[in-house]
Amino acid sequence: AQSVAQPEDQVNVAEGNPLTVKCTYSVSGNPYLFWYVQYPNRGLQFLLKYITGDNLVKGSYGFEAEFNKSQTSFHLKKPSALVSDSALYFCAVRDMGAGGFKTIFGAGTRLFVKA
Amino acid sequence: DAGVTQSPTHLIKTRGQQVTLRCSPISGHKSVSWYQQVLGQGPQFIFQYYEKEERGRGNFPDRFSARQFPNYSSELNVNALLLGDSALYLCASSLVSGQGNTEAFFGQGTRLTVV
Repeated sequence: AQSVAQPEDQVNVAEGNPLTVKCTYSVSGNPYLFWYVQYPNRGLQFLLKYITGDNLVKGSYGFEAEFNKSQTSFHLKKPSALVSDSALYFCAVRDMGAGGFKTIFGAGTRLFVKA
Repeated sequence: DAGVTQSPTHLIKTRGQQVTLRCSPISGHKSVSWYQQVLGQGPQFIFQYYEKEERGRGNFPDRFSARQFPNYSSELNVNALLLGDSALYLCASSLVSGQGNTEAFFGQGTRLTVV
């Protein structure tokens, strides 16, 4: 069955330090992978996606993600965290199943960046 | 350009009642998807519509239904409301549906409370 796992409920980093938010996936075919961010009482905002090509994908607000096929991972990274990066981050995989295209989201990881 | 707009923003209903949620996609977007986000969890896929046809369906009971209109706006209907239907309902639009590799743009959501 298709699934997405975000093993950390919460990640704490100091401002200026690098951050990593982890994501692993399980899908039958080639994965389409996405990262979204959600601020309080707001909808989700698209950050970046991996469809094909380079394993390192660059996205909005200085974020990037590394696709690792052998480890079935798609970790979100940023070289230098900002306090304003504090939010809820969701990894998602798009898969074609019997019911058509379906986007499966992870449970989310809350990122706290301390000044 | 306006983003994805959802109405109403908040709604309180009684168990057993019916509710209709509305979504207007970004201009030019022909695909609309609906998600349910329970507090503390990731969004759960409910439906995807493209060109007025259902293209994907998640694991939700038949009490949930949706439709897409010629102007690509969409409605989500939930009948016989249960307390467990209380959640943030998110609508997302995207340019196309067939390839599955396009990112979705989310509205702010409708907060439904069932009492």
